[in-house]
Amino acid sequence: DAGVTQTPRHEVAEKGQTIILKCEPVSGHNDLFWYRQTKIQGLELLSYFRSKSLMEDGGAFKDRFKAEMLNSSFSTLKIQPTEPKDSAVYLCASSSRDEQYFGPGTRLTVL
Amino acid sequence: GDQVEQSPSALSLHEGTGSALRCNFTTTMRAVQWFRKNSRGSLINLFYLASGTKENGRLKSAFDSKERYSTLHIRDAQLEDSGTYFCAAEASSGSWQLIFGSGTQLTVMP
Repeated sequence: DAGVTQTPRHEVAEKGQTIILKCEPVSGHNDLFWYRQTKIQGLELLSYFRSKSLMEDGGAFKDRFKAEMLNSSFSTLKIQPTEPKDSAVYLCASSSRDEQYFGPGTRLTVL
Repeated sequence: GDQVEQSPSALSLHEGTGSALRCNFTTTMRAVQWFRKNSRGSLINLFYLASGTKENGRLKSAFDSKERYSTLHIRDAQLEDSGTYFCAAEASSGSWQLIFGSGTQLTVMP
């Protein structure tokens, strides 16, 4: 029974690059979340989809962050252009109604 | 302001002893989840509660929406229980997004 998968697990980017993070939710889950985790801010919500429709788009992240969900089994988070302050762990989670299941995360380092 | 206040931020226990973690909420929450971060960094679900209490092995959790708190009790702590524990709450209105506490770093000592 596959959980939430995320790729890549690690990403190193130069300042100004475009990076795309990928997430596959648990099969059958209608809700998908993107979070960012840093030591300073803890976990912050970036985007929330319900049945592929964008429901929440974190206000502070709108300008360079774009999450998409073109089908129910795949989502991407694009950061363009990257900045050093974007270095963090990016978590994807999915939910059918109640519990959220988290992926292993992508550790992004922007130089 | 912060909606979820988790305490303590760090906790040390000797093997075989127990303690409790607590999350206080500034507003009414619909449900709470407790997670433990594993060695890979993934957040592993421990409990999901919309009310009442749940128990699983040496862990027990309670959630009181009216009194705005949740607890996670650990008894007979083992070395492998060491790690970071988070509570996360669902607000009563709006989306299903989780609001996380700041985490508790638990260290179990021999």
